[in-house]
Amino acid sequence: EIVLTQSPGTLSLSPGEGATLSCRASQSVSSSYLAWYQQKPGQAPRLLIYSASSRATGIPDRFSGSGSGTDFTLTISRLEPEDFAVYYCQQYGSSPRTFGQGTNLEIK
Amino acid sequence: EVQLVQSGAEVKKPGESLKISCQASGYSFTSYWIGWVRQMPGKGLEWMGIIYPGDSDTRYSPSFQGQVTISADKSISTAYLQWSSLKASDTAMYYCARGDSSGLLEFWGQGTLVTVSS
Repeated sequence: EIVLTQSPGTLSLSPGEGATLSCRASQSVSSSYLAWYQQKPGQAPRLLIYSASSRATGIPDRFSGSGSGTDFTLTISRLEPEDFAVYYCQQYGSSPRTFGQGTNLEIK
Repeated sequence: EVQLVQSGAEVKKPGESLKISCQASGYSFTSYWIGWVRQMPGKGLEWMGIIYPGDSDTRYSPSFQGQVTISADKSISTAYLQWSSLKASDTAMYYCARGDSSGLLEFWGQGTLVTVSS
C-alpha cells in the first residue's frame, strides 16, 4: 500500500499570499495518478487537480499542481478567503487507492 | 448535471445491520465506477472500495474487505454500502463518488452520517 504523507499539517497564511502544500509518496505513483481535493467544513470533498497537474472543470487557475514519482506539490498563487480549507492528496495508480492525512490551510 | 444523492443520517445500535444508498443521475450509471469513502469524526478520508455497476465488478481496500458490502442496482441507478453488524467504530460520515476506470473520484455525494451508539 502506498502511504502518502502531507506537509505541513497546518499552514497559517493571509489572503493574497501564496501557498505551497506537499504530498510525498512511500513508492512511486504510477502514471502520475495523483489528485488533490479540497474540503470545507460540513461539505463533501471537491476535486481540484488530477494526473498531478491537470485542473478539474471549473477550478480557478490560481490552483496548480506539479510533481512526479514520489514528490508532488499543490500551489495556490494568491489566496482568496474561500480557499481556506483542508486539502487532501490521493493516489489512484495502485491498489488500494489511498489518501494523505490532509493539510489544514487556515487564516493567519 | 451529474448528481449523487445519498440517503439520510442514521442512528443505530451496535450489532444492528444497515444499508445506505447513493442515487445517481445526469449520466449513464453503468458507464462509470462508484466509490465509497469513510471520514471518521475529525479525521481524514479513507478509501473503502469501488464498484462498476455495468458488471458489478467490486474492489475493496484490504482495511474494509469483509467489513462492508458494496453493491449496485442498475435498474434504479443506485449504489449501496451495507453492514451486517455495526460497531461503535463505524460511526463516521460516508461519501459516495463517481469514479473513472483509474479510481479518480470526480463527483461526490453530500455524505451520509452514520452514528452507532448503545
